[in-house]
Amino acid sequence: DGGITQSPKYLFRKEGQNVTLSCEQNLNHDAMYWYRQDPGQGLRLIYYSQIVNDFQKGDIAEGYSVSREKKESFPLTVTSAQKNPTAFYLCASSIWTSGNEQFFGPGTRLTVL
Amino acid sequence: GQQLNQSPQSMFIQEGEDVSMNCTSSSIFNTWLWYKQDPGEGPVLLIALYKAGELTSNGRLTAQFGITRKDSFLNISASIPSDVGIYFCAGQMNNNDMRFGAGTRLTVKP
Repeated sequence: DGGITQSPKYLFRKEGQNVTLSCEQNLNHDAMYWYRQDPGQGLRLIYYSQIVNDFQKGDIAEGYSVSREKKESFPLTVTSAQKNPTAFYLCASSIWTSGNEQFFGPGTRLTVL
Repeated sequence: GQQLNQSPQSMFIQEGEDVSMNCTSSSIFNTWLWYKQDPGEGPVLLIALYKAGELTSNGRLTAQFGITRKDSFLNISASIPSDVGIYFCAGQMNNNDMRFGAGTRLTVKP
């Protein structure tokens, strides 16, 4: 069954702790993306990666870090430097050609207490 | 980065009614996409549009890519309760630059 998985579905952390969100895809897509979703707003791009071992900052990269050691995996770390980390985080993937469609995972809701 | 202007923000309709929502931008896009998101889930792609003027249907859903390439609309005909959710438009300028509308929250009363 091809798709994108994110884990965990819900995550609670204390303020000041780093936390890593998992994203895996078996669609053989080159590109992967991380978005943040807040109520009443559109999705905002945090980081994206076109190929393994390469990634670029999106619009709101401050306080986040990523790695792309494997094509299938693109974990996101929310660091203690992120001032307002509580949000719904969505991972997406696509082929890397013009007009590509992004397919989303089920999301992880992070709550920082 | 610039986001898209999506309207209306929310809609409350009776089952069986038709629905229309749209997205506009001051920028030109190469691709328009429409997604539906259920609460607590990731968006699911409904329709993708690739050419100015293109009109595409997916069941009861119809979407159009505006001639100016700065807008798109989505229509849902004969709404049913399972149409409830948030609908997002997305415009793509190039391979990595995708912009999203804030969403239209649809409520369907049986």
